[in-house]
Amino acid sequence: QVQLQESGPGLVKPSETLSLTCTVSGGSINNYYWSWIRQPPGKGLEWIGYIYYTGSTNYNPSLKSRVTISVDTSNNQFSLKLSSVTAADTAVYYCARGFYPNSYITIFPYWGQGTLVTVSS
Amino acid sequence: DIVMTQSPDSLAVSLGERATINCKSSQSVLFSSNNKNYLAWYQQKPGQPPKLLIYWASTRVSGVPDRFSGSGSGTDFTLTISSLQAEDVAVYYCQQYYSNPGGSFGQGTKLEIK
Repeated sequence: QVQLQESGPGLVKPSETLSLTCTVSGGSINNYYWSWIRQPPGKGLEWIGYIYYTGSTNYNPSLKSRVTISVDTSNNQFSLKLSSVTAADTAVYYCARGFYPNSYITIFPYWGQGTLVTVSS
Repeated sequence: DIVMTQSPDSLAVSLGERATINCKSSQSVLFSSNNKNYLAWYQQKPGQPPKLLIYWASTRVSGVPDRFSGSGSGTDFTLTISSLQAEDVAVYYCQQYYSNPGGSFGQGTKLEIK
């Protein structure tokens, strides 16, 4: 059974860069698309972007200028960087895996538990 | 952008009764070449990540109780819980994955026991 676990700082200062890593266990990172999704406290879900194990990426247009997602296949990990953060970026950040191998269709059967990142000075 | 709008925002239903949640997309999510609706439903309980219940509008994920069903096509979709159980209290989200990249989610419907 595939498991995902987010890790990274829970507090980031305004204007700095948020950095998170998702570690995949119970399966290979190869042959799937891997996404980041966030949820502000008490609000709905927003897809941030995905990466294919080859390194190919696609981002939410609303965040594209500030987002970078990268992959480390040797360690079965992928990472998120979000620059120039503000209080509006405070959210629970989830990593998730796509449903079908080699397909960018964004159905998410596997999710990490999520990590709360607060943007505050 | 495709906007997903759910109704109602919150719902209280008695145990054993039917619960119905609606989801409307601002444009069709039916892909004509394969006749599939690119629509999923998720359940989220407090402190947990969302759980995929249904995809392709009506395909139930293995292990999801058959009291959960999805229906609809084009722009109008429904999640039905035929006989509400206490463990079904949650927030439910619809998601379209028609538009690439990423798709979009509805605002959520909070389901409670009456």
